[in-house]
Amino acid sequence: AQKVTQAQTEISVVEKEDVTLDCVYETRDTTYYLFWYKQPPSGELVFLIRRNSFDEQNEISGRYSWNFQKSTSSFNFTITASQVVDSAVYFCALLKYSGYSTLTFGKGTMLLVSP
Amino acid sequence: GAGVSQSPSNKVTEKGKDVELRCDPISGHTALYWYRQSLGQGLEFLIYFQGNSAPDKSGLPSDRFSAERTGGSVSTLTIQRTQQEDSAVYLCASSLLAGNTEAFFGQGTRLTVV
Repeated sequence: AQKVTQAQTEISVVEKEDVTLDCVYETRDTTYYLFWYKQPPSGELVFLIRRNSFDEQNEISGRYSWNFQKSTSSFNFTITASQVVDSAVYFCALLKYSGYSTLTFGKGTMLLVSP
Repeated sequence: GAGVSQSPSNKVTEKGKDVELRCDPISGHTALYWYRQSLGQGLEFLIYFQGNSAPDKSGLPSDRFSAERTGGSVSTLTIQRTQQEDSAVYLCASSLLAGNTEAFFGQGTRLTVV
């Protein structure tokens, strides 16, 4: 069975602080994908990043960075110099491919960035 | 259309009534997914369509839930005899192919059963 755990239910920071959102996953598959999505108050899930299980290189995109560690089954997400617009619910998800793909989501972490 | 479109955006219904939620996927996307987002529960997979067929209905919570897809495009999720525990945001996503790893999500339908 697949499982994604986001232990942090809610995080509050002040603008310009760095913040890391944790994600731990469980899967028996050797091939899988990991995702982060952002859900702003409007409700739509916005795709942030996809990482496959064979690529453990960390990735940086502007203020966002991701740390994928297979040894600890973690895929953590860091926002540097947070901004009020970063306030949203962030979901980590695991994709299993078995002829078709479905996403298993964590319960999400609500990030509140105050000015 | 440019993105996944869902309607209505909000729906309030009385307990026991039937509701229909609509999803219009991105044009040309063959795979379509329904998820449910309940308060504090994350997103729960409901059903997957490939074309007009649903090879995976494993997430439908009860036989009050059904879905169909016609013309390989629009999908309708129907909930019969709604219960208060059905209150949630229902999200639809589509992807180009079944194995495509990038799914695009709509804004969801917020269903409130009173």
